Amino acid sequence: EAQVTQNPRYLITVTGKKLTVTCSQNMNHEYMSWYRQDPGLGLRQIYYSMNVEVTDKGDVPEGYKVSRKEKRNFPLILESPSPNQTSLYFCASSRAAFTDTQYFGPGTRLTVL
Amino acid sequence: GESVGLHLPTLSVQEGDNSIINCAYSNSASDYFIWYKQESGKGPQFIIDIRSNMDKRQGQRVTVLLNKTVKHLSLQIAATQPGDSAVYFCVSGGSQGNLIFGKGTKLSVKP
Repeated sequence: EAQVTQNPRYLITVTGKKLTVTCSQNMNHEYMSWYRQDPGLGLRQIYYSMNVEVTDKGDVPEGYKVSRKEKRNFPLILESPSPNQTSLYFCASSRAAFTDTQYFGPGTRLTVL
Repeated sequence: GESVGLHLPTLSVQEGDNSIINCAYSNSASDYFIWYKQESGKGPQFIIDIRSNMDKRQGQRVTVLLNKTVKHLSLQIAATQPGDSAVYFCVSGGSQGNLIFGKGTKLSVKP
């Protein structure tokens, strides 16, 4: 089954404790992206990747890191989480860049205390 | 900066009626537009897309209209059903290669 998976689905952590949210897709997609969704603000793009070893900042990259060492995986790293990073995070992938349908993962709800 | 905005944050329609959700975008260089549907507790789901060289595209019960002159996009849902209740996002392909989401319109369908 073609899908985008994220782990964990739910995470409660404390300020400053490094964490990684994993994202994996099994569709051989080149383009992958991370979004955060906050009430009243819709989805905002954090980082995106056009292909392996190619990553770019989206609208709200501050406080986040990503890596794309393999095509299928695109982890989101929070080196020192802060409460303003409490949000619902979605990973997405597509065959090509923004000119193609993006498939979204189920979401990761992160709470930073 | 670039932005995408929806005209109404909420829309309530009667089951069986047609729904129209409107959206405005700011970047004239955007050449790809998408509508997503997000149900409660789920990730966004692709509905329909349109490229800037078209002004209309139809899918199953949905039609997207693009007016590049006024930078306006709309989603029309025919014979709206209770299962159509969700938040709808319009998205534009930004000039930097990124995607810009609107804030969403919550569609409620009354039985």
